[in-house]
Amino acid sequence: EPEVTQTPSHQVTQMGQEVILRCVPISNHLYFYWYRQILGQKVEFLVSFYNNEISEKSEIFDDQFSVERPDGSNFTLKIRSTKLEDSAMYFCASRTDISSGANVLTFGAGSRLTVL
Amino acid sequence: DQQVKQNSPSLSVQEGRISILNCDYTNSMFDYFLWYKKYPAEGPTFLISISSIKDKNEDGRFTVFLNKSAKHLSLHIVPSQPGDSAVYFCAASAYNQGGKLIFGQGTELSVKP
Repeated sequence: EPEVTQTPSHQVTQMGQEVILRCVPISNHLYFYWYRQILGQKVEFLVSFYNNEISEKSEIFDDQFSVERPDGSNFTLKIRSTKLEDSAMYFCASRTDISSGANVLTFGAGSRLTVL
Repeated sequence: DQQVKQNSPSLSVQEGRISILNCDYTNSMFDYFLWYKKYPAEGPTFLISISSIKDKNEDGRFTVFLNKSAKHLSLHIVPSQPGDSAVYFCAASAYNQGGKLIFGQGTELSVKP
């Protein structure tokens, strides 16, 4: 069964450092998302991406965050200068076509980010 | 901004009995609802969904009920099995919001043998 893969599974970084989290969405999917879950809290939407541009972003997704799809397969989330409160599990998700009526996102296993 | 709420953080059920997980929402623009299951250190896995034009959807042991007038949905698992022990997230989306899912806080289900 096709799956969304994420690397690294766990990254530890110092506050102020840049972090790049990588995702390989399912190959025929067109819409890509990043979500995060701070320990013990709900899964929160960060950003959606379609046709090589951001389609929507949340209040959390400030200027420290950026996304790109550099080579047609990878989908990356960059945090320029990490803060302690960025420590969370980051999930990548993708879906095929929102017009299909079945709005099912497929999630990756997540990348745990720990900022010290 | 809690558009999707799961008011029970945990639920414990005996194996073989019914598990009922509840979810409430406030945004009347939501037209699609999903339940995801999540094990520790894994991503959410899609379980079952329902469109707002229906009031019930069944898939094996899992049934989702939607009460639009009450803005309430529930997931029934019958019979419950120990392998069902996980965190269950309710999620909702609106067609005009680009497929973005809004999640509830999750309910941790524990099914005891």
